[in-house]
Amino acid sequence: GQNIDQPTEMTATEGAIVQINCTYQTSGFNGLFWYQQHAGEAPTFLSYNVLDGLEEKGRFSSFLSRSKGYSYLLLKELQMKDSASYLCAVRAPLRGGYQKVTFGTGTKLQVIP
Amino acid sequence: DTEVTQTPKHLVMGMTNKKSLKCEQHMGHRAMYWYKQKAKKPPELMFVYSYEKLSINESVPSRFSPECPNSSLLNLHLHALQPEDSALYLCASSQDTGHYEQYFGPGTRLTVT
Repeated sequence: GQNIDQPTEMTATEGAIVQINCTYQTSGFNGLFWYQQHAGEAPTFLSYNVLDGLEEKGRFSSFLSRSKGYSYLLLKELQMKDSASYLCAVRAPLRGGYQKVTFGTGTKLQVIP
Repeated sequence: DTEVTQTPKHLVMGMTNKKSLKCEQHMGHRAMYWYKQKAKKPPELMFVYSYEKLSINESVPSRFSPECPNSSLLNLHLHALQPEDSALYLCASSQDTGHYEQYFGPGTRLTVT
């Protein structure tokens, strides 16, 4: 089975840095995604990690440790528009050579002035 | 063009109605997905099409019937739905089911009365 855990809610101040953690226990592992979802909108892709280490993309960075089943998303220089839910998603193999992406419950981030 | 489009944006239907949701992408992606998302919950995978063939059905009730007429189009036919089927239905696509991010459409907000 798949188990993906994230904090439910976080609050951070505009201009600050926030780290959103994700831990996972899955049957197989073929990569971890982070998506951003504003209320009432579709998820948008932020980052993808398949090897251990840090991937940096502008104000957003994502880290992966496969041995620990752990990832985090780091958001720097927070802006009010960063208020959204952040979804951790893990891709794992299925029988027949197919892949399935399972989403965590998401972390609702509120950025305050 | 990096857009996935979905129609309609909103749909209200009775439990005896038959309706269809439509999804379209012109990115040349060969994998397309249907997800169901309830309020404050993560997207839940329903179906995966790979190269126009159904590759994953996550034990979805038969009142939901997917169809992939060609590589750009994905439909979800609805019949005899229940009020608990009310949700946001998201379509997504990716280059294939391998190591690629998924692009989501804006979703169809479905209400079953």
